[in-house]
Amino acid sequence: TQLLEQSPQFLSIQEGENLTVYCNSSSVFSSLQWYRQEPGEGPVLLVTVVTGGEVKKLKRLTFQFGDARKDSSLHITAAQPGDTGLYLCAGRKVGETSGSRLTFGEGTQLTVNP
Amino acid sequence: NAGVTQTPKFRVLKTGQSMTLLCAQDMNHEYMYWYRQDPGMGLRLIHYSVGEGTTAKGEVPDGYNVSRLKKQNFLLGLESAAPSQTSVYFCASSHGYEQYFGPGTRLTVT
Repeated sequence: TQLLEQSPQFLSIQEGENLTVYCNSSSVFSSLQWYRQEPGEGPVLLVTVVTGGEVKKLKRLTFQFGDARKDSSLHITAAQPGDTGLYLCAGRKVGETSGSRLTFGEGTQLTVNP
Repeated sequence: NAGVTQTPKFRVLKTGQSMTLLCAQDMNHEYMYWYRQDPGMGLRLIHYSVGEGTTAKGEVPDGYNVSRLKKQNFLLGLESAAPSQTSVYFCASSHGYEQYFGPGTRLTVT
């Protein structure tokens, strides 16, 4: 059983559309991160959220951490082909130190068609 | 500044063969990790290290061994490869919240 569940697993949309990816758990996390991975490369960190209810924006990407720190969402406005990639959420369990292990979700494969 | 590098990039093994994957980082990070990535399963932690000379088991450690003799290197060993170990292996390092990943090693066991 995956501790962090992402939905949808696959998403194919047209350029200019909006989309939301979800990351859910029954466990509480002290922080949650979103990574983006392109084919043939390792994941790259997009954002870290640490406070329940926190919202962070990165250009057209909006990240939210749930009030209870059990879930998170990634919203992309006006998606572009360059947004294509695998989006991974990763959580740090309560009690883990900042430099220690993360639990990853299964990932959402996003394809934005021109 | 190369970040995290992994050697080799690709490898094909026969069942029962052994090999070592090398990870090197030049960022002076204390923490290093080995993950495997399989379709639909995200990244699963194999082993990790919180400093030179230390190692600890992750979620899926069976069939793998690791060593961290130098701070900048983290080695992952497969003593007797099995087809179930066909995967893409990623190394990462960190000193805070962010983990920095290498480009991966694609391993096929036939």
